[in-house]
Amino acid sequence: AQRVTQPEKLLSVFKGAPVELKCNYSYSGSPELFWYVQYSRQRLQLLLRHISRESIKGFTADLNKGETSFHLKKPFAQEEDSAMYYCALGAVRGGNKLTFGTGTQLKVEL
Amino acid sequence: DVKVTQSSRYLVKRTGEKVFLECVQDMDHENMFWYRQDPGLGLRLIYFSYDVKMKEKGDIPEGYSVSREKKERFSLILESASTNQTSMYLCASSSVADEQFFGPGTRLTVL
Repeated sequence: AQRVTQPEKLLSVFKGAPVELKCNYSYSGSPELFWYVQYSRQRLQLLLRHISRESIKGFTADLNKGETSFHLKKPFAQEEDSAMYYCALGAVRGGNKLTFGTGTQLKVEL
Repeated sequence: DVKVTQSSRYLVKRTGEKVFLECVQDMDHENMFWYRQDPGLGLRLIYFSYDVKMKEKGDIPEGYSVSREKKERFSLILESASTNQTSMYLCASSSVADEQFFGPGTRLTVL
């Protein structure tokens, strides 16, 4: 069975501080991992996916198969990063279905 | 730009009513999805469809059904609404191996 765990419901950091949003997954096959973000009053949108290996808005995430983790990181938090972040797991042969974690609300304080 | 639209932003219904939530996408995507979003529970997949007239159950299909008569439209049906179906409902679409694009959501309240 697929499972995604985001242990923190709320993460509060000061502007300029480093950010790490944790995500662990459970899946026996070859996983595809994603981070989606939902800003206040906006629709859910893709932030990044592990296969692209790119940095979006200063965020990066590395897939660690040994630790089954896909933590989202940013070296210096900005106020506009305040949002709800969801980690999601896709199965390569799963019809493009995604299993989402419970989400982490990131609050960047001035 | 991919556009996924949902018929209502807010909906208030009474227990026992039949409820239709409509979703339309304009990018000729094969896959369409219905999720419900609840605080502390994240997004949970209700049903999805990978082709016209095809549907598969997600993780929480009980109390829901779906219809996909045209490629661009995916409907979620609550046959007899109950208070525990009060939630935010999100529709999404995607091509075969691409990211999912989400609609703005419908906040349903069942009294």
